[in-house]
Order: sequence, then structure tokens, then C-alpha cells
Amino acid sequence: EAGVAQSPRYKIIEKRQSVAFWCNPISGHATLYWYQQILGQGPKLLIQFQNNGVVDDSQLPKDRFSAERLKGVDSTLKIQPAKLEDSAVYLCASSSGLAEYNEQFFGPGTRLTVL
Amino acid sequence: SQQGEEDPQALSIQEGENATMNCSYKTSINNLQWYRQNSGRGLVHLILIRSNEREKHSGRLRVTLDTSKKSSSLLITASRAADTASYFCATDARDSSYKLIFGSGTRLLVRP
Repeated sequence: EAGVAQSPRYKIIEKRQSVAFWCNPISGHATLYWYQQILGQGPKLLIQFQNNGVVDDSQLPKDRFSAERLKGVDSTLKIQPAKLEDSAVYLCASSSGLAEYNEQFFGPGTRLTVL
Repeated sequence: SQQGEEDPQALSIQEGENATMNCSYKTSINNLQWYRQNSGRGLVHLILIRSNEREKHSGRLRVTLDTSKKSSSLLITASRAADTASYFCATDARDSSYKLIFGSGTRLLVRP
């Protein structure tokens, strides 16, 4: 079974530029998550999708971050414009659905450096 | 904000020794999960313990949960150099989203 795919793996941009990340979850997984992991910290949930609907985006900085999952499969996360503090690893995860004991499967992440 | 806090922040042991990591959390939970993250790689799910369970084993891993103290511990027995990684506890939000809230992690170094 293929895992969660993310691209690119690394991205370096200057502040005020825009950037987009792509995620393809495990086939058949209805729930998709985007996390931000700042160096030395645990992942922080940015947004959670159930199929193509948003379940939780309470910690997404909506003035600069946006995400979509139009067909309920793959997803993109965009930052526009980027700030220095956005430097982090962006992790995508998926699970089979919304339930108490669903295991989340994580992709390798995209490491973003904002100069 | 992060609910879980791991202790210690960093741990260095010799191969073959046991490693114990602790996690404390703040609110009621349905379950608590432990994840491992190797350098440059994504997180891997290790074990899940439900709120009505007190102890769970998986291979060389032993997890305990004390809901009265809102704490959990992860024990890795007979550690190997390949166990070198960061370990995170994650608790569910106990709302309809079932989202996970991760702690700050323990960085484990197993010296050969």
C-alpha cells in the first residue's frame, strides 16, 4: 500500500513570496490533515478535511494560509505572503475516517525555509 | 496550543538500556497515542491506549496511562541504536473532529 505522498520535499523562498504544497493521501482515506511543525516542537494541526469539507481550521492563519481538497482526494496548502516565522516542516496525514481510534498516517513532509 | 508535555526533553542512553519517557496532558481524553519521528522523516504511529486502559504492550514498547494524574509513560526495553528518534505523545480533542494534539516531544539518543 502506497503511503502519503508530499511534494516538494524542500522549498526555500524569500519573505512575502508565495508557496504551495501538495499532498496525496492513502487511497480511500476520507480524512486529511495538514500540520505545521516548527523546529523543536510537536506538530500543530492547521486544517482537517473530511472528504472535501473542512472539519477544523481553527488554527489556520487565514489571512495568509489557504487549503483546498476539491475532489476529496489530494490537497494543496498555500501560503501567501510568507513570513519568516512560517519556516517549518509542513506535514500531511490521512486516516480512514472520523472515529476515536483512527490511526493517522503521515507523509515525509515539506521543509520550508523563508529567508 | 499543545496539550501534552513530554519529559524529559532529551534522553541519552547506552544500547541495551531501557528508555522511559513521560507525557502529561490537561483535559479529558478518549485515547492517547505515541508517535516516533526519525530525523528527516515523517511521524510513525507506535501505539494507542484508550482512556479505559491502564497498560498496553507492543513488542519492546510498554505504555501506561493514569487518567487520574493525566499522565502516560512510554517504556522502550532493550534499546537499539535504531530507536534514536523523537517521540511524541498525542491526545485526541474529545470533540467531533477527533483531531490530535501533540506534545513537544522527547529526543532519544541511543549510543552504540
